Amino acid sequence: DAEITQSPRHKITETGRQVTLACHQTWNHNNMFWYRQDLGHGLRLIHYSYGVQDTNKGEVSDGYSVSRSNTEDLPLTLESAASSQTSVYFCASSINTGELFFGEGSRLTVL
Amino acid sequence: AQTVTQSQPEMSVQEAETVTLSCTYDTSESDYYLFWYKQPPSRQMILVIRQEAYKQQNATENRFSVNFQKAAKSFSLKISDSQLGDAAMYFCAYRPWGGAQKLVFGQGTRLTINP
Repeated sequence: DAEITQSPRHKITETGRQVTLACHQTWNHNNMFWYRQDLGHGLRLIHYSYGVQDTNKGEVSDGYSVSRSNTEDLPLTLESAASSQTSVYFCASSINTGELFFGEGSRLTVL
Repeated sequence: AQTVTQSQPEMSVQEAETVTLSCTYDTSESDYYLFWYKQPPSRQMILVIRQEAYKQQNATENRFSVNFQKAAKSFSLKISDSQLGDAAMYFCAYRPWGGAQKLVFGQGTRLTINP
């Protein structure tokens, strides 16, 4: 079955370290997204991509970057982790006319 | 920019009763999608129901139905015959019809089912 997977599911890191969260989907969807979920804020968009070599900033993109070298993967990188980036991160994918399909989330703690 | 507001941070209902979760949104677009997602304790985001704005008929999925009021920009979710498994966070979300594909989410409503 097609799916979308995130790794790691849980990670603890220290302030200032670089962190990469992986996202891999097997639906061959063009569109991929990264959201963060924080209490009281719902899900907020970090970055998104509409295809290979395409990336766009969302509403909370500062301190994050993504790259899209193939259809299946959209890794999210925190260049220098900060405590404010402690959150649950969701990757999602979609086709142009459909809803988003989400991964299971990655809980990141920055100490 | 589009915004989505869920004014009820928490709701509770007795098992087998009916509950309605509220959602309002702001947009200048005439065509768009609206969604309700459920997030149980497992953290998985699960699509509950979707509505295309051009459709006048309210969407239904088994015990879940919506009251879509386009002029009022309101999109409430009604859960009938509530079950213990319905306990979760519920998120309302908006997506424009064309162009940008990204969803804008509300803050969420935590639903508790009392046995």
